[in-house]
Amino acid sequence: NAGVMQNPRHLVRRRGQEARLRCSPMKGHSHVYWYRQLPEEGLKFMVYLQKENIIDESGMPKERFSAEFPKEGPSILRIQQVVRGDSAAYFCASSPFGSEQYFGPGTRLTVT
Amino acid sequence: AQKITQTQPGMFVQEKEAVTLDCTYDTSDPSYGLFWYKQPSSGEMIFLIYQGSYDQQNATEGRYSLNFQKARKSANLVISASQLGDSAMYFCAMREDRTSYDKVIFGPGTSLSVIP
Repeated sequence: NAGVMQNPRHLVRRRGQEARLRCSPMKGHSHVYWYRQLPEEGLKFMVYLQKENIIDESGMPKERFSAEFPKEGPSILRIQQVVRGDSAAYFCASSPFGSEQYFGPGTRLTVT
Repeated sequence: AQKITQTQPGMFVQEKEAVTLDCTYDTSDPSYGLFWYKQPSSGEMIFLIYQGSYDQQNATEGRYSLNFQKARKSANLVISASQLGDSAMYFCAMREDRTSYDKVIFGPGTSLSVIP
């Protein structure tokens, strides 16, 4: 049973470009969480999604950030017009019933 | 308000010795869960141990044990017989069950260095 998969593992974008981060949850998991880890800090919750629904986006910046978890395919975290402050590690976690969360390896976004 | 406090930004321990990493938390929810994660330099988050607020006994997983003191709202991680591979960042985290969303709140972390 493959774990949570995230790709790409490393992503470099210039200021103003778009970043698309993908998360494939563990098989059978229908709950996905996105977290952001700024350098030298702990993880901060961004958004919680179930298939085709955003349940809690209280941690998402109001502008430029969006997330989706379609019926088919991975969950996508999209950052438009990236700025240097978006440079961080973005972790995805999945769970089967909204309980224990299993983390992916993370995507390290660098904005130049 | 800080929900999870880890007062030790950095810790050193001699190989084969035991070490305690401190964690205090703040919640008014009677039902919650506490977690510890390890993040080595490679960056992945590795689940170590879980303690539920209603669990009567302290959680243990191999060399890891959680010293849960509910009245003090502390959930310290004890690593016995430290190994060089234990050098990493350690994060304490909490899930408040009343939200039913299982959003996990992380502390700022403690950097552990194991000295040979």
